[in-house]
Amino acid sequence: ETAVFQTPNYHVTQVGNEVSFNCKQTLGHDTMYWYKQDSKKLLKIMFSYNNKQLIVNETVPRRFSPQSSDKAHLNLRIKSVEPEDSAVYLCASSYWGRDEQYFGPGTRLTVL
Amino acid sequence: GDSVTQTEGQVTVSESKSLIINCTYSATSIAYPNLFWYVRYPGEGLQLLLKVITAGQKGSSRGFEATYNKETTSFHLQKASVQESDSAVYYCALSDPSGSWQLIFGSGTQLTVMP
Repeated sequence: ETAVFQTPNYHVTQVGNEVSFNCKQTLGHDTMYWYKQDSKKLLKIMFSYNNKQLIVNETVPRRFSPQSSDKAHLNLRIKSVEPEDSAVYLCASSYWGRDEQYFGPGTRLTVL
Repeated sequence: GDSVTQTEGQVTVSESKSLIINCTYSATSIAYPNLFWYVRYPGEGLQLLLKVITAGQKGSSRGFEATYNKETTSFHLQKASVQESDSAVYYCALSDPSGSWQLIFGSGTQLTVMP
């Protein structure tokens, strides 16, 4: 049963545009994450966030930013997309201090 | 840095045959990592299959087993008799329970079970 929801499923855009992806979890978790899965299927953490702190992977370009309205939502904004941003973006959630994460189905971004 | 290696990108097995998917890890900065197998079925999100936190212990779920081997730094996934419904992508992962708790994933292994 799906408990981490992501929209949209797919998005195609052009270089330089701004995009935003949504993520919502209904598990009552207090921590959410964004991962990037590249063309080689490698899954890499981008952000982890709860109401106390934001942890940013140092390799994430500044054009990426997480946006949260409450602990159940964590959106991902890309200010000016570039071709290398084409990937699948996965959202996940957990309790803080727990490593069992629950994942959404992903959003596939294609940058033309 | 810490990493997880899955050497096979794709594995094809006939139904009812046995399966092993290899996973090795390098945890240079983590004394006692937690080890995981996640699975992604077609059209679904990544989900936890099993987790083991103690070296020497075996985890099991849905007929799959994996043993935490600290000596060989391995966590291979095995099943005695696969079914067509096991076709999915399997990811090995580790975390640091005394640090960030963040997951580090392998590159995944696509399992195809032939009828």
